Amino acid sequence: ETGVTQSPTHLIKTRGQQVTLRCSSQSGHNTVSWYQQALGQGPQFIFQYYREEENGRGNFPPRFSGLQFPNYSSELNVNALELDDSALYLCASSLSLGSTGELFFGEGSRLTVL
Amino acid sequence: GNSVTQMEGPVTLSEEAFLTINCTYTATGYPSLFWYVQYPGEGLQLLLKATKADDKGSNKGFEATYRKETTSFHLEKGSVQVSDSAVYFCALTPFQAGTALIFGKGTTLSVSS
Repeated sequence: ETGVTQSPTHLIKTRGQQVTLRCSSQSGHNTVSWYQQALGQGPQFIFQYYREEENGRGNFPPRFSGLQFPNYSSELNVNALELDDSALYLCASSLSLGSTGELFFGEGSRLTVL
Repeated sequence: GNSVTQMEGPVTLSEEAFLTINCTYTATGYPSLFWYVQYPGEGLQLLLKATKADDKGSNKGFEATYRKETTSFHLEKGSVQVSDSAVYFCALTPFQAGTALIFGKGTTLSVSS
């Protein structure tokens, strides 16, 4: 069984640029969520996708957007990068929306914005 | 609003010591509560959970009891091992919120032999 994989693992961008992060869900999981983890903080919920539709969003501006594909893989896009966007971005998949809190996390993509 | 407060770390213990990591929460409704663990170089993984008051979650010798009256979900282990060294996160999901978790800031545990 393949776990959650994310790419790239590390990347550096400059302020104002755009970034796309990718996630491959665990086999059989149809729900994916994204979290931002700043240094020394707990993960913060960005949004989740279920069957290719956004299904819940945290307190993040619209320049954070996402996609889920028919094979349940997912992308996180961030436009107009700001210095405060520097963080570890975590993708998590779950068997279904009803899998309360039982998430399987990837190791994350570390974004540095200069 | 909903929030989770964990004790500040780092927590440094000798092998076989007793561990408590405090977690309290604020939530509307009836949340489900979780402990996640992040071992060095690995992704977050679910350690244990409890979905209603007085439930006790347990796994790998760790346990936590959902206390509604004190809004707490403290993590305990009777005898820690060096391999338990990790960052521990307390989290909740509000009633019917599915997979949108609210995490505490995390507590780093370091166990020496």
